[in-house]
Amino acid sequence: GAVVSQHPSRVICKSGTSVKIECRSLDFQATTMFWYRQFPKKSLMLMATSNEGSKATYEQGVEKDKFLINHASLTLSTLTVTSAHPEDSSFYICSARVALAGGPHEQYFGPGTRLTVT
Amino acid sequence: DAKTTQPPSMDCAEGRAANLPCNHSTISGNEYVYWYRQIHSQGPQYIIHGLKNNETNEMASLIITEDRKSSTLILPHATLRDTAVYYCIVSGAGSYQLTFGKGTKLSVIP
Repeated sequence: GAVVSQHPSRVICKSGTSVKIECRSLDFQATTMFWYRQFPKKSLMLMATSNEGSKATYEQGVEKDKFLINHASLTLSTLTVTSAHPEDSSFYICSARVALAGGPHEQYFGPGTRLTVT
Repeated sequence: DAKTTQPPSMDCAEGRAANLPCNHSTISGNEYVYWYRQIHSQGPQYIIHGLKNNETNEMASLIITEDRKSSTLILPHATLRDTAVYYCIVSGAGSYQLTFGKGTKLSVIP
């Protein structure tokens, strides 16, 4: 299957600072990428949908000014957590959509980024 | 997207087939059934998807009932590395979003 990478895999930052997480599709072009957040023992929650060259669409309750998403190319999307707080500590996962001929789609997920805000 | 119902947990002996059920009684005609799994502290891994016919790939088989209201994911010979949370998701061809429920935590026991 297609490969999606994330960088960094782990990051620890101080409260009030900003952190950027990169998501890359390594062997395919992704017009659509997704950002999820997962708290301990919980399921993945979609944060936003990122389309190349346009503004991201955020899910209800996700602050667009706090979680900045940039999808400037077909292989790279970035999520910046601004003014991070301890409650932003979570596992952030991106995915990239591959459209298949005839309708269905597959999403391939990155390995995730563990963010800890102290 | 239609909702799905899965048992919270299952055990399976190593080497035996693991059969993971999923109910999706409100599925509509153009919605696909997708299965993903998540091994602890990793991103989800795509397993298989289907519309109405049974599907098989190198990882698993997907059996969808004729009325499409339920499906079963079959791992033919479970190994310890198959221990993970398995998610059954229903999503339309035109809807790119995947909504993750709580999934089934499969424990493969030696």
